[in-house]
Amino acid sequence: GENVEQHPSTLSVQEGDSAVIKCTYSDSASNYFPWYKQELGKRPQLIIDIRSNVGEKKDQRIAVTLNKTAKHFSLHITETQPEDSAVYFCAAPSNTGNQFYFGTGTSLTVIP
Amino acid sequence: DSGVTQTPKHLITATGQRVTLRCSPRSGDLSVYWYQQSLDQGLQFLIQYYNGEERAKGNILERFSAQQFPDLHSELNLSSLELGDSALYFCASSGQGAWTEAFFGQGTRLTVV
Repeated sequence: GENVEQHPSTLSVQEGDSAVIKCTYSDSASNYFPWYKQELGKRPQLIIDIRSNVGEKKDQRIAVTLNKTAKHFSLHITETQPEDSAVYFCAAPSNTGNQFYFGTGTSLTVIP
Repeated sequence: DSGVTQTPKHLITATGQRVTLRCSPRSGDLSVYWYQQSLDQGLQFLIQYYNGEERAKGNILERFSAQQFPDLHSELNLSSLELGDSALYFCASSGQGAWTEAFFGQGTRLTVV
């Protein structure tokens, strides 16, 4: 099955700074890479995703980049705010595309 | 609201007991996934059903089982519960086709005492 590695496991940044979280995957057939944000005690929610036909996607302060050759993708959050504090998970699908393997999560703390 | 409904929200039970967690997927979604999230842990994939049939299995213990019914709701059965089974159990659903977004329910927090 797919092996997804996520780094770092914890990240602290000052408010206004940028945060970058990186994930690598093993199955070269994977074509869809979502990122989920999970606030304490709540459900994971999709914040952005990218498909393999593009190398970058942006949505306001968040962006995701994908390098299919190197099999890694990254989440970029600019101008971080305290409400960005949460656990972020990357995911990659199985080769059938029908199940997701999640990274181990990154706990982001934005310090006011 | 994701459209995925899980019941109950909280469950406290004793070791050795059996519980059933229920999930109603978003309207029209055929795939249901179950995940286990222990304290400060990531999302561990347990099992997936698609239109009533088991599609994929992850790290699901033999004491656990699941099924998806004709109306597409799913149940996760946990038996001979141990203290280590205490966790947040999430259900997610997605639509037809590969590589589509998975929507998560709010989870069931299981505490085994």
